[in-house]
Amino acid sequence: QKEVEQDPGPLSVPEGAIVSLNCTYSNSAFQYFMWYRQYSRKGPELLMYTYSSGNKEDGRFTAQVDKSSKYISLFIRDSQPSDSATYLCAMTWTGAQKLVFGQGTRLTINP
Amino acid sequence: GAGVSQSPSNKVTEKGKDVELRCDPISGHTALYWYRQSLGQGLEFLIYFQGNSAPDKSGLPSDRFSAERTGGSVSTLTIQRTQQEDSAVYLCASSLELAGGPTDTQYFGPGTRLTVL
Repeated sequence: QKEVEQDPGPLSVPEGAIVSLNCTYSNSAFQYFMWYRQYSRKGPELLMYTYSSGNKEDGRFTAQVDKSSKYISLFIRDSQPSDSATYLCAMTWTGAQKLVFGQGTRLTINP
Repeated sequence: GAGVSQSPSNKVTEKGKDVELRCDPISGHTALYWYRQSLGQGLEFLIYFQGNSAPDKSGLPSDRFSAERTGGSVSTLTIQRTQQEDSAVYLCASSLELAGGPTDTQYFGPGTRLTVL
């Protein structure tokens, strides 16, 4: 079993919809949780970063962490075609340098 | 400013040949990371450099893989006697290491797409 599980999709939704992306994990030592966005043939870029449990909002994006359930989510409101990309969750623990990534979810927003 | 650059962008090689992949981090970034992205596998950590030293090389899959960094800047990932299962996108990232650890944002390059025939 992988340390971080993420449904690879693909996920296709109409423009304007609310998108929910999720990851589960097994390592209770994880304290730092990130969401990366990766466009085709590009490297991932950091979207959101959260420490421990709770919510964080940045514009149309909201990241949620539920450590008791070992479950993290990314919500995208008012989704746009430009949001079409692969979204990767990543996490790590205090003192570590490397990130442990989920498989990535391929998202398409249809105009 | 310039981001992380990697070369070549694509590499096709024959099984058994050696390949070298290059990473130029963002100027001034002391930390450098290599990851591998295989189809359906997500990103897998390979190695982390702090300056020219590699305190964590736990992700290198076999002794056919090695990496070095010189002058605290450019890094080269070498794969010897390539196998078909080595086919993947190899991504490099760098970070400033202001605070040290997970709070330092890793900036990724576009990757090198390696195909082993």
